[in-house]
Amino acid sequence: AQSVAQPEDQVNVAEGNPLTVKCTYSVSGNPYLFWYVQYPNRGLQFLLKYITGDNLVKGSYGFEAEFNKSQTSFHLKKPSALVSDSALYFCAVRGSYGGATNKLIFGTGTLLAVQP
Amino acid sequence: ETGVTQTPRHLVMGMTNKKSLKCEQHLGHNAMYWYKQSAKKPLELMFVYSLEERVENNSVPSRFSPECPNSSHLFLHLHTLQPEDSALYLCASSQGLAGTDTQYFGPGTRLTVL
Repeated sequence: AQSVAQPEDQVNVAEGNPLTVKCTYSVSGNPYLFWYVQYPNRGLQFLLKYITGDNLVKGSYGFEAEFNKSQTSFHLKKPSALVSDSALYFCAVRGSYGGATNKLIFGTGTLLAVQP
Repeated sequence: ETGVTQTPRHLVMGMTNKKSLKCEQHLGHNAMYWYKQSAKKPLELMFVYSLEERVENNSVPSRFSPECPNSSHLFLHLHTLQPEDSALYLCASSQGLAGTDTQYFGPGTRLTVL
């Protein structure tokens, strides 16, 4: 069965410092991995995804994520945090087969708080 | 975010009411989804439609009834709901059902059942 774990409910970081939001996954076969961000009273916004190729994926708003197959991880990173990055971040995984039964499985979310 | 719109944004209803949630996507996608987001729980997939045909019903109670009249519109009809159904209901769309297809979400409808 597919699963995603976000081990930290909350991450606190000072503005200007680098940030990391952790994600590990379990899936049969090759994984497709996604990061989304949710601001208060808003829907989920797509940040980036890993399908294949370069393990370092660059996305919106200066975010990037590194796929590590041996550690089954897909951590989200940003070199310099902004207060406006404060939001709820979701990691999601899907297996490499198509169809409606191949559901996108979401983690429980990590709240990122960036202090000025 | 304006690619997928949802109305209303907020809804308060009694347990005996009947209401509908509406979703519209302007992205030319062929698949649409309903998700339920409750506090401190992972997103729960409720329904999946592909080319207006329901392809997944994720063990959702019959008091939730989806409708997809065309590939751009998706409705969720609600009747005799329970207080535990209070949640944020999110609509999403994707190009298709391939594993690589990104799902794009609307802003959600915050539902409160009294």
